[in-house]
Amino acid sequence: SAVISQKPSRDICQRGTSLTIQCQVDSQVTMMFWYRQQPGQSLTLIATANQGSEATYESGFVIDKFPISRPNLTFSTLTVSNMSPEDSSIYLCSVEVTGPETQYFGPGTRLLVL
Amino acid sequence: GIQVEQSPPDLILQEGANSTLRCNFSDSVNNLQWFHQNPWGQLINLFYIPSGTKQNGRLSATTVATERYSLLYISSSQTTDSGVYFCAVSTSGTYKYIFGTGTRLKVLA
Repeated sequence: SAVISQKPSRDICQRGTSLTIQCQVDSQVTMMFWYRQQPGQSLTLIATANQGSEATYESGFVIDKFPISRPNLTFSTLTVSNMSPEDSSIYLCSVEVTGPETQYFGPGTRLLVL
Repeated sequence: GIQVEQSPPDLILQEGANSTLRCNFSDSVNNLQWFHQNPWGQLINLFYIPSGTKQNGRLSATTVATERYSLLYISSSQTTDSGVYFCAVSTSGTYKYIFGTGTRLKVLA
């Protein structure tokens, strides 16, 4: 298993600003994932972050809007840039633990954009 | 891409009742997980179950991969079972999980 923490747990931001969300894992992992959960909806994968390489973004998500860093095997950040009210969501990071390929999730960051 | 549909979308139970949640997927999968998202938003792993049957206390799950569905059984439900239940699948050659539409469960005391 894996224990994951995220900061901040919640925030209220003004439109046009940016917020960086941090994700810390208690063990070294190869793959980290960032998801978005809009109000009342399911989870949508934003991107996959591997250490030492550029993040891989899913259709509909771009690096300019959601830049991701992965400086080491236990840490990643997601920035939500130039925010609008449509970015109000829960943002979750997850990691994959092999043997079997199971995903574990952080507690999420609740973002409200005014 | 693969489609993952869950039913029912909403479910209200009295405490002590049993329920069955269903997850249908449109293509073959390599991995399948069930999660519970509690009212505070935390996602909790329930089962990793790409095939077969598993049980954990009052919860059990069955996946029939050849028929492309999985079932989650909740017996003797408790108010703490309330929340949203998601199944998530990944297909051969990918590491990405695609989440289903979810079932929102409310258990009344």
